[in-house]
Amino acid sequence: SAVISQKPSRDICQRGTSLTIQCQVDSQVTMMFWYRQQPGQSLTLIATANQGSEATYESGFVIDKFPISRPNLTFSTLTVSNMSPEDSSIYLCSAKVGQMNTEAFFGQGTRLTVV
Amino acid sequence: AQSVTQLDSHVSVSEGTPVLLRCNYSSSYSPSLFWYVQHPNKGLQLLLKYTSAATLVKGINGFEAEFKKSETSFHLTKPSAHMSDAAEYFCVVSDLAGGYQKVTFGTGTKLQVIP
Repeated sequence: SAVISQKPSRDICQRGTSLTIQCQVDSQVTMMFWYRQQPGQSLTLIATANQGSEATYESGFVIDKFPISRPNLTFSTLTVSNMSPEDSSIYLCSAKVGQMNTEAFFGQGTRLTVV
Repeated sequence: AQSVTQLDSHVSVSEGTPVLLRCNYSSSYSPSLFWYVQHPNKGLQLLLKYTSAATLVKGINGFEAEFKKSETSFHLTKPSAHMSDAAEYFCVVSDLAGGYQKVTFGTGTKLQVIP
């Protein structure tokens, strides 16, 4: 299993600013992901964080808006850039140990409000 | 293409009665299927998973799900609902789409348990 710590747990930010969310896993993991959960909705995958290379973004998400780093097997960051109120959401970090048949573990999420 | 359909956005049951949360999936590959639960203001917790072994999968807290390939379904059941089961439940499919791992969440089912 893996325990994932995310910080900050919540923040209120001014529009036009950027916020970096950190994700720390207590063990080395194969894959790390970032999701967005908008109010009352399901989770949408933003990107897969690749260690030592550029993240793989899903349709509708771009690196300029959501730059991601993954310097090692236990840590990743997601930045929400040039924020607008539409970016208000919960952002979740996820990690998998092993390949496709294993479950994903999730952090508690970062609740972001943009004013 | 990969997709997940949770047929009910809300389900309401009386305490002590059976629970049925429905999930249908579409996948071009042999998928892995999961059910996660999200309590209010809490992180996502894995309830159970199917990974091509036994088609009837038992999970935590008395939940179980049956993988039916002919019906492309993975419905979640529990014989007797408890007040603590009130939460949102997500059905998730994972497979190798286009050569890389893809994970898709259903839209979620909110379970209400009436005393």
